[in-house]
Amino acid sequence: DIQMTQSPSTLSASVGDGVTITCRASQSISSWLAWYQQKPGKAPKLVIYKASTLESGVPSRFSGSGSGTEFTLTISSLQPDDFATYYCQHYDTYPYSFGPGTKLEIK
Amino acid sequence: QVQLVQSGTEVKKPGASVTVSCKATGYTFTRHYMHWVRQAPGQGLEWVGVINPWDDTTACAQEFQGRVTMTKDTSTSTFYMELRSLKSEDAAVYYCARAGPVGCSSTSCYGDHWGQGTLVTVSS
Repeated sequence: DIQMTQSPSTLSASVGDGVTITCRASQSISSWLAWYQQKPGKAPKLVIYKASTLESGVPSRFSGSGSGTEFTLTISSLQPDDFATYYCQHYDTYPYSFGPGTKLEIK
Repeated sequence: QVQLVQSGTEVKKPGASVTVSCKATGYTFTRHYMHWVRQAPGQGLEWVGVINPWDDTTACAQEFQGRVTMTKDTSTSTFYMELRSLKSEDAAVYYCARAGPVGCSSTSCYGDHWGQGTLVTVSS
């Protein structure tokens, strides 16, 4: 099975900052990676799919990159609405799996 | 617009079974796989499994093999996930998530629309 890791587990930043979250897969997953944003008590929301494709309606300050085993999610200028937990997920082969999450909190 | 509406909170005893439903509207029911994902209190997301509504084929994480059944009812556009032999560790919010339409691998896709979640409590 493919294992996903994320770093950091917690990230403190201020409005206007740029941040990057890293996700690594235990083996190559090509570009079959998605990023989700989740706020407390809410369902996850798709942000990026196929490693770098922005989901419709998601602000352009979000971007994704990477392929193979290493991926990044970058938010170029944090807005108050961006503070949440972010998860990566591979969808290469079954079973799919998620990273443990990165909590982005206000400094 | 795509909507996934899940059934309500369930309280079960250890050893019992639970069935969570997910009614899908706003798209062609058989064209998108449906994933099930769970989240234990204060924990991360865990992929449970997926069903292809075109041919009813399913796949699930190894820890659920033999305990989970995923089905669908095309006449009501509803998906179901049954989990048997419940343990305290199965207490979680269970989500259904529709597989996206593009950018998919040879197996399936990410989840582009999610249900609101169903809380399952397991307690004696």
